[in-house]
Amino acid sequence: DAGVTQSPTHLIKTRGQQVTLRCSPKSGHDTVSWYQQALGQGPQFIFQYYEEEERQRGNFPDRFSGHQFPNYSSELNVNALLLGDSALYLCASSFEQEAFFGQGTRLTVV
Amino acid sequence: AQTVTQSQPEMSVQEAETVTLSCTYDTSESDYYLFWYKQPPSRQMILVIRQEAYKQQNATENRFSVNFQKAAKSFSLKISDSQLGDAAMYFCAYKTSENTGFQKLVFGTGTRLLVSP
Repeated sequence: DAGVTQSPTHLIKTRGQQVTLRCSPKSGHDTVSWYQQALGQGPQFIFQYYEEEERQRGNFPDRFSGHQFPNYSSELNVNALLLGDSALYLCASSFEQEAFFGQGTRLTVV
Repeated sequence: AQTVTQSQPEMSVQEAETVTLSCTYDTSESDYYLFWYKQPPSRQMILVIRQEAYKQQNATENRFSVNFQKAAKSFSLKISDSQLGDAAMYFCAYKTSENTGFQKLVFGTGTRLLVSP
């Protein structure tokens, strides 16, 4: 079992650009959540997808959007990037009451 | 809204010794889950231990155990016989048990654990 995989591992973007991050959940997991972890902070919940629909959303602007595909994989899209969007983006897949995390995508906005 | 507080930014321990990491939380719910996650330099969050609020007994996983004080809203992690590989950031997290499916995790700010030989 490959666990939760995220791509890319690192990414550098310019202010104003758009970015797409990808996540493949652990086998058998149908729920995917995205978190933003700023340097020196704990992860902050962005949103969660289940059955291809956004089920929960945290306090993030509409510039953050997502998608879940029929195979349960997911994408996180961020438009009009700001310097403050620089962070580690973590994907977690879950089944019942346990979540498994990927290694994250380190996004740097310059 | 639920909040999680970790008041120790950094803790140090020597190999083979015991260390306790503190966590307090605030909630009006009566049933919920609490977790400790470990985040090594590889960045991947690894579940260390889980506690269900309705269970009186403190959870234990090998060298890791918790002291869950529901009335005080306290959830500390004890690491016994510390090993160099225990060095990492440790995050306390809360999850409601309401509704179906897996609900969002609310994390604290983390405690960096340093382990010296």
